[in-house]
Amino acid sequence: NAGVTQTPKFRILKIGQSMTLQCAQDMNHNYMYWYRQDPGMGLKLIYYSVGAGITDKGEVPNGYNVSRSTTEDFPLRLELAAPSQTSVYFCASSPGQGRFKKLFFGSGTQLSVL
Amino acid sequence: RKEVEQDPGPFNVPEGATVAFNCTYSNSASQSFFWYRQDCRKEPKLLMSVYSSGNEDGRFTAQLNRASQYISLLIRDSKLSDSATYLCVVNAREAGFQKLVFGTGTRLLVSP
Repeated sequence: NAGVTQTPKFRILKIGQSMTLQCAQDMNHNYMYWYRQDPGMGLKLIYYSVGAGITDKGEVPNGYNVSRSTTEDFPLRLELAAPSQTSVYFCASSPGQGRFKKLFFGSGTQLSVL
Repeated sequence: RKEVEQDPGPFNVPEGATVAFNCTYSNSASQSFFWYRQDCRKEPKLLMSVYSSGNEDGRFTAQLNRASQYISLLIRDSKLSDSATYLCVVNAREAGFQKLVFGTGTRLLVSP
C-alpha cells in the first residue's frame, strides 16, 4: 500500500521556469491538499480538492494552479517560478472532513528557485 | 494574534525526563485538535487527536482546556527516538470548509 506518492523529491528551477509537482494516492480518498512549509513556519494550505473535478483555493494560492481529473491524482503546477516559491511542498489526502479525518502526507518535494 | 501559537523551543531534555508542550489557539469555535510529529526533512505524521476529556496513548498524554484555549502534550520517560518537532493542529471553518491550521512546531531534543 503506497499511500500518498509525491514526485520529484528535489528540484531546482530557474526564475520563470514552469513545473508540475505530481501527487497520487491509492487510498480512494476524496479529499486532497497541497501545503507548503517554509523554514520555521507552519504548513500553509495552497489548494485543496473535495473530489474529482472540484478544487478550491487555500490560504496561499497565488502563483499555483491545480487540477483533479481523477480521484487518485492531484498535480500542482507552478507557471512562472519565483524565488518566493522556494519551499518544501507536501501533498496530503484524507478520507473525509465531516468529523475531521487524519491527514496522510506524501514525503515532500524540496523546491529551490534560483 | 496567530491562529495557533507554539513555543519553538528547542526543549533539551535527558532520556527518561518528562516534558510538556503547550499550544494556544485563537478561534474559540474550533472543535478538533491534534498533535502531529515531524522528523527533520520528513512529512508530518499524526501522533494523536486531542479529546475534551484528555487522552493518553502510552507515554503521551494530551489535554484540552477550552476556557483558556490551549492544548498540551506531555511526554513521559522520554526516549532518544522522541527527538522531533511536534506540531499543534487546530481545525477552523472557512467558507464551509474545515481547514486545518498548523502551528510552527516545538522542537524536542532528547539526549543520552
